[in-house]
Amino acid sequence: DSGVTQTPKHLITATGQRVTLRCSPRSGDLSVYWYQQSLDQGLQFLIHYYNGEERAKGNILERFSAQQFPDLHSELNLSSLELGDSALYFCASSVGLTGQGAGGSLSNYGYTFGSGTRLTVV
Amino acid sequence: DAKTTQPTSMDCAEGRAANLPCNHSTISGNEYVYWYRQIHSQGPQYIIHGLKNNETNEMASLIITEDRKSSTLILPHATLRDTAVYYCIVRVRVLGNQFYFGTGTSLTVIP
Repeated sequence: DSGVTQTPKHLITATGQRVTLRCSPRSGDLSVYWYQQSLDQGLQFLIHYYNGEERAKGNILERFSAQQFPDLHSELNLSSLELGDSALYFCASSVGLTGQGAGGSLSNYGYTFGSGTRLTVV
Repeated sequence: DAKTTQPTSMDCAEGRAANLPCNHSTISGNEYVYWYRQIHSQGPQYIIHGLKNNETNEMASLIITEDRKSSTLILPHATLRDTAVYYCIVRVRVLGNQFYFGTGTSLTVIP
């Protein structure tokens, strides 16, 4: 268990629908990052939130949006779903803005990923 | 962030050392080298990172050449559970900078 919790683990929905993916970061982590991994695209960075504020956007479609709440959990909203949105969606967390820990063991460095949500659009 | 080049795939015999190379010839002085791995459809897992010096932890060793243009991740005694895609990423540790994952090296550990 990485400490990053993503729900649901699996989601099957129809085209045109809207879904919400949820991520709870590791205790004490302020940054949350969302990634999409489809078969032909590899891991694509979508968006980064730090302590409730959006910090960076990557290849995120306008149909997608995210937010981070005061308790630091984050939600990724995907709307008007298309078949091509079928993918694994990963959330990662880190303590600070740069992905580094405040110190301590090397395991505090970089990102900690959740186990992902597998979205299938039919 | 600098681009990295990794072999698409590699095999390694179980119990032997797995040496995974990465070229990052355009790396800047303030860019770190990170290694992550992803076991089939699981979330990527941090392995190790370094700037100039060689690094070792409980999982692996990272050897960075003196000119920093390439590095090698060493798994000293590969097991079947080390079969995964290994990503080499170079990244500046600045505000809001992200990890960009390339295609990585698919390592297969053979019994």
